[in-house]
Formats: sequence, C-alpha cells, structure tokens
Amino acid sequence: GAGVSQSPRYKVAKRGQDVALRCDPISGHVSLFWYQQALGQGPEFLTYFQNEAQLDKSGLPSDRFFAERPEGSVSTLKIQRTQQEDSAVYLCASSLDVIGSYEQYFGPGTRLTVT
Amino acid sequence: GDSVTQMEGPVTLSEEAFLTINCTYTATGYPSLFWYVQYPGEGLQLLLKATKADDKGSNKGFEATYRKETTSFHLEKGSVQVSDSAVYFCAPSFQDGQNFVFGPGTRLSVLP
Repeated sequence: GAGVSQSPRYKVAKRGQDVALRCDPISGHVSLFWYQQALGQGPEFLTYFQNEAQLDKSGLPSDRFFAERPEGSVSTLKIQRTQQEDSAVYLCASSLDVIGSYEQYFGPGTRLTVT
Repeated sequence: GDSVTQMEGPVTLSEEAFLTINCTYTATGYPSLFWYVQYPGEGLQLLLKATKADDKGSNKGFEATYRKETTSFHLEKGSVQVSDSAVYFCAPSFQDGQNFVFGPGTRLSVLP
C-alpha cells in the first residue's frame, strides 16, 4: 500500500516568503507527527496530531510556524516570513496510535532552502 | 529530562567486520526503544524495536537488547555489508507522550 507522501520534495524560498508543506499520511493512521531535521542532525520533534486535534505543539520554534490537520487526514505545515535558519528537511510521520510502542512511518521529507 | 546519547560517527568498517553502535538513554520511566535507519537518498525507516526490558529486537542481521539496568540499547551486527552503509538513529519513545527523541545519528560506511 501507499506510504506517507510529502510535497513538494524540494522548496526554495526567498527570505520573508511564506511556505506551505503538505503531508499525506497512511490511510487510517490516527497520529501524525512533524519533525525538523537540520543537516547532519537527528530529527527534532515539532508537533503532533491525534486525528484533527493538535495535542502537542511544544516543538514549534516560533509563532511563525503553524500546523493543521482539519479533517484528521492530510496535514499542512506552514511557515510564515521564512528565515535562513528555517532551512532544513521537514519530515512527516504517521502512526496507528500515539502510544509509544507503535512504529512511526516516515515520508521522504521536504527539503526547504531559504535564500 | 528524558534524553538519548548515541555514539558519534562516522564509522568506517570493512565488509564482514563486526559493528557496534552504542546508545544510552535517560528517562524517568521505561520507554520503548527503536533503531531507525536512513539509507542514502531515502526516508527514515524502522530497523528494529524493543518495548520492554530484556527484549531483543532483530532485523536484517542487526540486533539490539533492551538493557534496563544500564539504560542502553546498543545496535550490533556480526558481519556488515556494503549495503548497510547508512545513517543509524537511536530513538526512545517515552511513555509520557513525548514521542520519539532521536539521537544525532551515526553514519556508517562499509568498504568492500
């Protein structure tokens, strides 16, 4: 079956532009996660949803970052007024549940470059 | 707070060599433990997991045992192949809902 998909795969934005990154999770997966992965580092948690509810957004680095999952399926991560430090790979993952023993399935990521 | 420490890379080995990548964690509870792998140009994928003390996860010749007494989950493989070249991430999932905390990753290069 289809895995987690993300679009676009690559995005170049000029400093100050707004961007929107899309994630299509595996059908039926309740939980959805966003991570930020800087070059040479491990993924860092940004936020997660259980269905349409955003239960934790403690990892969002600033109020320029906003995520939504209005119908409990597709999710969008929006970054307003992009800055150079926002350059990273943004990973989306989905899981059957948020309980720790369930595997998270990752998408290929969106590489954002802010110039 | 809850955290993970992972052996720094890069690690370069010859084919058929023995591999160990150390991982230790700090937690107030008992997390589930995962190893994820990222092959060149691909997304993260689960390699193996263990959900309680003394469990051994295994896959593709890799093994890791959940050691509660030493809070460790070291990754081992008896004979590595060139195709094992990748970045390996240790990732505890803490049961208080903090989800995964990824280590910095260990880049492994296996030479023929």
